[in-house]
Amino acid sequence: GAVVSQHPSWVICKSGTSVKIECRSLDFQATTMFWYRQFPKQSLMLMATSNEGSKATYEQGVEKDKFLINHASLTLSTLTVTSAHPEDSSFYICSARARGGSTEAFFGQGTRLTVV
Amino acid sequence: AQSVAQPEDQVNVAEGNPLTVKCTYSVSGNPYLFWYVQYPNRGLQFLLKYITGDNLVKGSYGFEAEFNKSQTSFHLKKPSALVSDSALYFCAVSPPYNQGGKLIFGQGTELSVKP
Repeated sequence: GAVVSQHPSWVICKSGTSVKIECRSLDFQATTMFWYRQFPKQSLMLMATSNEGSKATYEQGVEKDKFLINHASLTLSTLTVTSAHPEDSSFYICSARARGGSTEAFFGQGTRLTVV
Repeated sequence: AQSVAQPEDQVNVAEGNPLTVKCTYSVSGNPYLFWYVQYPNRGLQFLLKYITGDNLVKGSYGFEAEFNKSQTSFHLKKPSALVSDSALYFCAVSPPYNQGGKLIFGQGTELSVKP
């Protein structure tokens, strides 16, 4: 089956530093990847849609300069949380949709970010 | 506005009993419908989806869901619950213009199955 790998699984960083999270589709090519944020015991909120070779599309209220998304290849998208603050602490999950009109997206295992 | 509602924050059932986790949606057109399960500190695992066709969809781990267009519902069911089914369940909808990609999630329902 389709596998999406997210790295790291968890990260602790100091306030003011930047953190990069990787999302890889291991056995398929993903023209589109999605980044979600999840607060404890809450639903997933879509942050942005990442398209290979073009700029990401951000949801309303999501700061583009704070959450930098790069989709450099058909198997890799990265989310960089810049100048992280404690309120950025959250669970970040990516999903990837295979090229060719797949009817579903496959999820990574998530990244727990803690900013201290 | 497009939305998905899971009216129950928590569902408690005894092992061996049937379970139902409810989901209703408000999306125009013919959306794709999904159920996912999430274990603590893990990503989402796909359970099943409805695209078109038979209203009763069978998925992984013995789960099934029934699509009801008139009631705009897509309730998740299982005839006999297991303790290992205890987890957080999300209903999701993919709008007609972006089938299978961008998802709108319900708030989640925590299922607790007691021995």
